[in-house]
Amino acid sequence: DGGITQSPKYLFRKEGQNVTLSCEQNLNHDAMYWYRQDPGQGLRLIYYSQIVNDFQKGDIAEGYSVSREKKESFPLTVTSAQKNPTAFYLCASARSVGSNEQYFGPGTRLTVT
Amino acid sequence: LAKTTQPISMDSYEGQEVNITCSHNNIATNDYITWYQQFPSQGPRFIIQGYKTKVTNEVASLFIPADRKSSTLSLPRVSLSDTAVYYCLVGGATGGGNKLTFGTGTQLKVEL
Repeated sequence: DGGITQSPKYLFRKEGQNVTLSCEQNLNHDAMYWYRQDPGQGLRLIYYSQIVNDFQKGDIAEGYSVSREKKESFPLTVTSAQKNPTAFYLCASARSVGSNEQYFGPGTRLTVT
Repeated sequence: LAKTTQPISMDSYEGQEVNITCSHNNIATNDYITWYQQFPSQGPRFIIQGYKTKVTNEVASLFIPADRKSSTLSLPRVSLSDTAVYYCLVGGATGGGNKLTFGTGTQLKVEL
């Protein structure tokens, strides 16, 4: 059953802690993305990766870090430097660099108190 | 990236056809127009994509006039389950796809 998975669905952390969100895909897609969504807002791009061992900053990369050691995996770390980390985080993948058809995971809702 | 403008919200009733229009006056020559649907607490889902004229699939139709400065997503005979946020995006096949820009979208509410 092909798809993109994110875990966990809900995550709670204390302020000042780093936290890593998981994203895995078995679609054999080259491109992967991380977005953040705040209530009533659209999605904002955090980081994206076009190929293994390569990634680029999106529009709101400050306070976040990523790695792309395997084609299937693109974990996102929310660091303590992120001022407002509480949000809904969405991971997506696409067949290629230029594809506008992205496949999204179910999302992780992170709450930091 | 071309900026898009779409209505904040729309209301409809079951069985009606719904048309959501998106303006993208600054669309570039190589930009495609893509529509996504998002239910609460879920990731967006690709609906349809087009470059010009009309595209139809099992879910929706996309109408694009010759000047490509706008596009209309048409949902035939909507049901309650079509209540969702609909996003219009424009991006180029050679790079725009890397940085799709999601606006606030159009909240469609379907009632009985």
